[in-house]
Amino acid sequence: GENVEQHPSTLSVQEGDSAVIKCTYSDSASNYFPWYKQELGKGPQLIIDIRSNVGEKKDQRIAVTLNKTAKHFSLHITETQPEDSAVYFCAAVRSSNQFYFGTGTSLTVIP
Amino acid sequence: DTAVSQTPKYLVTQMGNDKSIKCEQNLGHDTMYWYKQDSKKFLKIMFSYNNKELIINETVPNRFSPKSPDKAHLNLHINSLELGDSAVYFCASSQAGGNYGYTFGSGTRLTVV
Repeated sequence: GENVEQHPSTLSVQEGDSAVIKCTYSDSASNYFPWYKQELGKGPQLIIDIRSNVGEKKDQRIAVTLNKTAKHFSLHITETQPEDSAVYFCAAVRSSNQFYFGTGTSLTVIP
Repeated sequence: DTAVSQTPKYLVTQMGNDKSIKCEQNLGHDTMYWYKQDSKKFLKIMFSYNNKELIINETVPNRFSPKSPDKAHLNLHINSLELGDSAVYFCASSQAGGNYGYTFGSGTRLTVV
């Protein structure tokens, strides 16, 4: 089956700096890669996603890149703000909505 | 509001009891899921269900059973609760037939004492 690794497990950045979270996957059949943000006491929320026919996608301060050959994808957050502090999860998805989540990254943005 | 809603938000119960967590989605999604999130924040799939197929993670004890009265509901029943069942349980839904993001509920924190 699919194996998704996510790094780092914890990340602290100064407000205004950039944050990068990286994930690798093993199954070349995975073709959809969503990212979720989980704030304290809440459920994970989809923040951005990318499909395998695209190499990069951007939405304001958030961007995701995908390297299918190397089987890795990354989340980039620029100009971080304290409200970006949360746990972030990547996922690799095969057909039939089989989701494989990474182990999560706890991001802390220091004011 | 369109959402996935689950109740209760908190559940404290004694070992050996039987309890249920309810989940409802009004998004018109075809597939619903239950996830368990442990203290390390790992998200583990327990069940996925649409009106045609129930897929069970083989590691889930048979004390856990999903019940779906209709397409918009997927409840989780847990028998003979154990201390190790303490976790946050998330319901989620998605459209079927392709790769779409999940919409998660806000979670139920289960504490077994």
